Amino acid sequence: AQSVTQPDIHITVSEGASLELRCNYSYGATPYLFWYVQSPGQGLQLLLKYFSGDTLVQGIKGFEAEFKRSQSSFNLRKPSVHWSDAAEYFCAVGAAGGYQKVTFGTGTKLQVIP
Amino acid sequence: EAGVAQSPRYKIIEKRQSVAFWCNPISGHATLYWYQQILGQGPKLLIQFQNNGVVDDSQLPKDRFSAERLKGVDSTLKIQPAKLEDSAVYLCASSQGQGSNQPQHFGDGTRLSIL
Repeated sequence: AQSVTQPDIHITVSEGASLELRCNYSYGATPYLFWYVQSPGQGLQLLLKYFSGDTLVQGIKGFEAEFKRSQSSFNLRKPSVHWSDAAEYFCAVGAAGGYQKVTFGTGTKLQVIP
Repeated sequence: EAGVAQSPRYKIIEKRQSVAFWCNPISGHATLYWYQQILGQGPKLLIQFQNNGVVDDSQLPKDRFSAERLKGVDSTLKIQPAKLEDSAVYLCASSQGQGSNQPQHFGDGTRLSIL
């Protein structure tokens, strides 16, 4: 079964600074990878997804992520963080073939300071 | 398009009481999910429906939790009797298909507090 690890529980960045959130997955074949964002009191919103092809994927709100098979990683990046990006970010992994559920990481809470 | 609707938004009950949550998915979405999100953790899948059939309920505590999606649209999740460890946010999500490559659309959740 697939699994996903988000090593950083909490990250603080200054507004305007760059951001990278780490995600490592475990799966034998090419996984389906997702990043979701959750603002307080709300459900999760899809930022971007990777299935195949170009390993650098662009998402909404200026986010991008890069799939690195050799490192089993799918890190989320943003060149310049805005105060409104403060939220919790979840990496998730799914798998092809038959029924495979999506497994979510434990999340990284992002704090943005002025 | 209208998003996934959930009610109630908040619920406070005492342990051993029962509670029910309701979800209305995005129109046309065949797959519906119920997740439990405990504070500080990621969502954990409780049950997945494809139309009105159950695809996966392997992590549903069946001695106290039940869920149904009788007409393949709305769904209800019930807990009876509730335990302290059931305090969590219960999220409903839907997707067009059942493959794990399908982006899921989430409701705002129901926050359950057990006293």
